[in-house]
Order: sequence, then structure tokens, then C-alpha cells
Amino acid sequence: SQTIHQWPATLVQPVGSPLSLECTVEGTSNPNLYWYRQAAGRGLQLLFYSVGIGQISSEVPQNLSASRPQDRQFILSSKKLLLSDSGFYLCAWRPAGNTIYFGEGSWLTVV
Amino acid sequence: GENVEQHPSTLSVQEGDSAVIKCTYSDSASNYFPWYKQELGKGPQLIIDIRSNVGEKKDQRIAVTLNKTAKHFSLHITETQPEDSAVYFCAASPRYSTLTFGKGTMLLVSP
Repeated sequence: SQTIHQWPATLVQPVGSPLSLECTVEGTSNPNLYWYRQAAGRGLQLLFYSVGIGQISSEVPQNLSASRPQDRQFILSSKKLLLSDSGFYLCAWRPAGNTIYFGEGSWLTVV
Repeated sequence: GENVEQHPSTLSVQEGDSAVIKCTYSDSASNYFPWYKQELGKGPQLIIDIRSNVGEKKDQRIAVTLNKTAKHFSLHITETQPEDSAVYFCAASPRYSTLTFGKGTMLLVSP
């Protein structure tokens, strides 16, 4: 079956510290992968998407970066976190066609 | 690019009533329209979707209608239950493109 895993589920990090959120998918090959952020206003903001290994497109300029070292692995990173990076981060994937499926999300609090 | 407007932002109904959430989109090339339900602290879950070659789709108590001429689509939930309380997102996309989401509707169903 096709599944998506995202971790850690909750993270509290000090300002200026690094970040690494990881996402993996199972049961498919060459999916499109996405990172979204959801702030307090509830909207879903697309941060990055990837159509293949090493191929990353950024939707908004920011303090974050993404990498896809393997076909089914997508990583969201930061070298130095800001308070404004706090939020709910969602990995998502599109195995085929248009339908996007989301992971369970990671709560990041920067203190 | 695509722009999706969603209304209302908050909707309160009594258990057993119907709920309707409406979305409009701007790109006439969009042909895929999914709806997601997000419970507190979880990732959005796909509940129903519709493609541009049909005008209506039903799945038990939920239905989606699409009017391509007017560029709007709606989610209808009948016989609402407290467990329907959540944030609902509509989205639209042209073929093989990324989804553009509405800002969400918080549905509250009172017993």
C-alpha cells in the first residue's frame, strides 16, 4: 500500500538552531513531493516541490531549504531558525494524476 | 496563476442540518477540484474530488457540485454530525499542475 511518513511530529527549537524535518513515502516510485506550511491563519502555503531526485522548486523566498537525496525521501532544513519559522509543516505527495495526499504534519515551535 | 476564493470562513450549524461551502476559481484551464478535511493537529485528508467532465459527485452524506461556466464549485454535507466539525479546504488545479488551495472553512456542528 502507499503511505507517507513524516517526523518528528513535534519539535521545540531555540532561535538560531538548525532544523531537519524528514518525509518518506512507500509503495510508489517517482512521486511528486511537496512541503507546505500552515500558520495560525489556517491557509496552506506551498514552500517547495520536487518532481525528481535533486530537483527542487521553491515557491517563496525564505529561511528554509529542501533536498531530495533519494526518490522517496524529502527533507526540509534550515541552518538558523527564526521565530517566524514556527508553524505546522506538512509533507505531501502526488503518486499520479492530480490528487495530493498529506502526511500527519510536524509542529515546530521556535523559542 | 490560479486563485481560489472560499466562503464562508466559519460556519456553525446544528446537528442534523445541512452545510454548504462554496469556492470560486479563476483559471479556466483548471479541471480538478478536491476537497480536504483537516481535524485539529492532523494533516488534511482528501474526502471527495471532482473532475471537470462531471457536474456532481456524491459519496454518502457529502456531495460536490461544479459549475465550469461560472467557475465555482461547492461542498454539501447533509445530516451533519458533531464529528464533521473540522476545517475544510477546497482546491483547484489545471492538469498535472500543483494545487491552489482556498483559505479554509471552519465548520462547527453543535449537538
